[in-house]
Amino acid sequence: SQQGEEDPQALSIQEGENATMNCSYKTSINNLQWYRQNSGRGLVHLILIRSNEREKHSGRLRVTLDTSKKSSSLLITASRAADTASYFCATNTGTASKLTFGTGTRLQVTL
Amino acid sequence: DVKVTQSSRYLVKRTGEKVFLECVQDMDHENMFWYRQDPGLGLRLIYFSYDVKMKEKGDIPEGYSVSREKKERFSLILESASTNQTSMYLCASSLPRSMNTEAFFGQGTRLTVV
Repeated sequence: SQQGEEDPQALSIQEGENATMNCSYKTSINNLQWYRQNSGRGLVHLILIRSNEREKHSGRLRVTLDTSKKSSSLLITASRAADTASYFCATNTGTASKLTFGTGTRLQVTL
Repeated sequence: DVKVTQSSRYLVKRTGEKVFLECVQDMDHENMFWYRQDPGLGLRLIYFSYDVKMKEKGDIPEGYSVSREKKERFSLILESASTNQTSMYLCASSLPRSMNTEAFFGQGTRLTVV
């Protein structure tokens, strides 16, 4: 079963707007990670937040983590057409660092 | 730069064939993973390995097996390929839990079973 579920499944915004994606998961985690995938390619890591952290920033990215609600959000500020991609959250769990992905959010940024 | 290399970008196989998908990483990572990606289903974990000769089933191991004889190489085996195994296959590697780091992905193998 999927550990993470992203919401929304698809998001369409205009350049310059902010994009927010949410991720819910089911079990306790070591950390939560966000990845980006351009069409038909491998995934690229964006940001990692540890289970004892609540917020993290990296450039135009802001990630929050609420372990009591088992949820995370990814905010992309001032979006650009080049941000068009699919975004996935992934949870790292267990002693063996199992990495489980959600279903993804497809982001479309138009000019 | 970390490099995860998958042996083929595109592969076409016949039903019933035994198929090997190879993945090699060059950063001495302990963990390696195999996922399949299908539209609307995201990435689903097939198997992962946290050390040489060690493996754990993921969420959808049926119809697949894996081999990790050397630390840098993780092979996914389809014992008897079926059309429902047509998919994009992604390999990844990472350091162990204590390092709290990200995974690095290969470019994927698009497998078509006819």
